[in-house]
Amino acid sequence: LAKTTQPISMDSYEGQEVNITCSHNNIATNDYITWYQQFPSQGPRFIIQGYKTKVTNEVASLFIPADRKSSTLSLPRVSLSDTAVYYCLVGNNNNDMRFGAGTRLTVKP
Amino acid sequence: NAGVTQTPKFQVLKTGQSMTLQCAQDMNHNSMYWYRQDPGMGLRLIYYSASEGTTDKGEVPNGYNVSRLNKREFSLRLESAAPSQTSVYFCASSGVSVRGEQYFGPGTRLTVT
Repeated sequence: LAKTTQPISMDSYEGQEVNITCSHNNIATNDYITWYQQFPSQGPRFIIQGYKTKVTNEVASLFIPADRKSSTLSLPRVSLSDTAVYYCLVGNNNNDMRFGAGTRLTVKP
Repeated sequence: NAGVTQTPKFQVLKTGQSMTLQCAQDMNHNSMYWYRQDPGMGLRLIYYSASEGTTDKGEVPNGYNVSRLNKREFSLRLESAAPSQTSVYFCASSGVSVRGEQYFGPGTRLTVT
């Protein structure tokens, strides 16, 4: 199982772009990278998933370099409502993906 | 379309008591999962069911049993609750892809005294 490392916490201000980096040095060839968001007292919510290069949806972008040993979740122009915990998961099967401690993002006014 | 529902929302048990947490999904998903989340930590997989009629152990299965009653329902049973099982329990489901988006329920907050 690929192990991931993320910053424990990050602070930002409204309107800024936030980049959260996840390190996964032992990612396997067929592993994907998936990010979830969790608000207090709620279950996680899927944000984005990618295999290589760049993936973008209406919520975020995911940048994956060629060696795939890390990935960066980019949240454009954050608001107070983006304050949450963000999890980076690596694997090819939901059964093998592991939620680490995540990154607690705090957006300030 | 309710998504994933869980009952109960809250439960307090005494050590040694038993209970069943219920989970149902209305998205016609094949796979269902049970996680626990302890304070300040990420989620840990207890059991999963890749399809109706199959169940498998996850990362922390000890002290739990599960039943995939049908395609919609996946229950988690604590036969003899222990204080170490105090946690928030989340049920999730996902569709055809083995790595597809998981949809989570609202959680059950369980306290064992």
